Amino acid sequence: AQSVTQPDARVTVSEGASLQLRCKYSYSGTPYLFWYVQYPRQGLQLLLKYYSGDPVVQGVNGFEAEFIKSNSSFHLRKASVHWSDSAVYFCAVTGGYKVVFGSGTRLLVSP
Amino acid sequence: EAAVTQSPRSKVAVTGGKVTLSCHQTNNHDYMYWYRQDTGHGLRLIHYSYVADSTEKGDIPDGYKASRPSQENFSLILELASLSQTAVYFCASSLLGLQDTQYFGPGTRLLVL
Repeated sequence: AQSVTQPDARVTVSEGASLQLRCKYSYSGTPYLFWYVQYPRQGLQLLLKYYSGDPVVQGVNGFEAEFIKSNSSFHLRKASVHWSDSAVYFCAVTGGYKVVFGSGTRLLVSP
Repeated sequence: EAAVTQSPRSKVAVTGGKVTLSCHQTNNHDYMYWYRQDTGHGLRLIHYSYVADSTEKGDIPDGYKASRPSQENFSLILELASLSQTAVYFCASSLLGLQDTQYFGPGTRLLVL
């Protein structure tokens, strides 16, 4: 069965610090992996996605994620966060016929 | 302009009443989806559609119906609303199915009393 685990419900970092949001998935085939961001009172927006190729994928606003097949992980990273990055981040996995979203990580960037 | 719009943005309904949530997209996408989001949880797929006049069940279809009268419009219907259906509902569209990027609407907050 497909599943996605985001072990950190809340993360607080200082502005300018680096960031890693963790995502581990379970999927028997070759997964399509996504990171979405949800700003307050808005729908989800795509940050980046991965299916094949270079395991480090670049996204919008300086975000990147690394697919590590051996660890079933797809962690999101950013070198230097800005206060505007405060939002909820969702990891998702699909094989094309079913999609599973993680429970989300709420990021608070403190000044 | 927003490519996926939802109406209403919020609604209060009574238990046992009928609720219709509407979604409109201007992306020219074939696929449309309805999700619910509960506090502290990820999105769960209720119904989806890949062509007008046809809908498919998602992971949690019980208590919900869907209607896709045109490529642009996709509705979610709660025939007999229940307290457990209080949630935020999101509509989304994509070009090539679940493996493709989904574009989400702003959501509808539904409170069933």
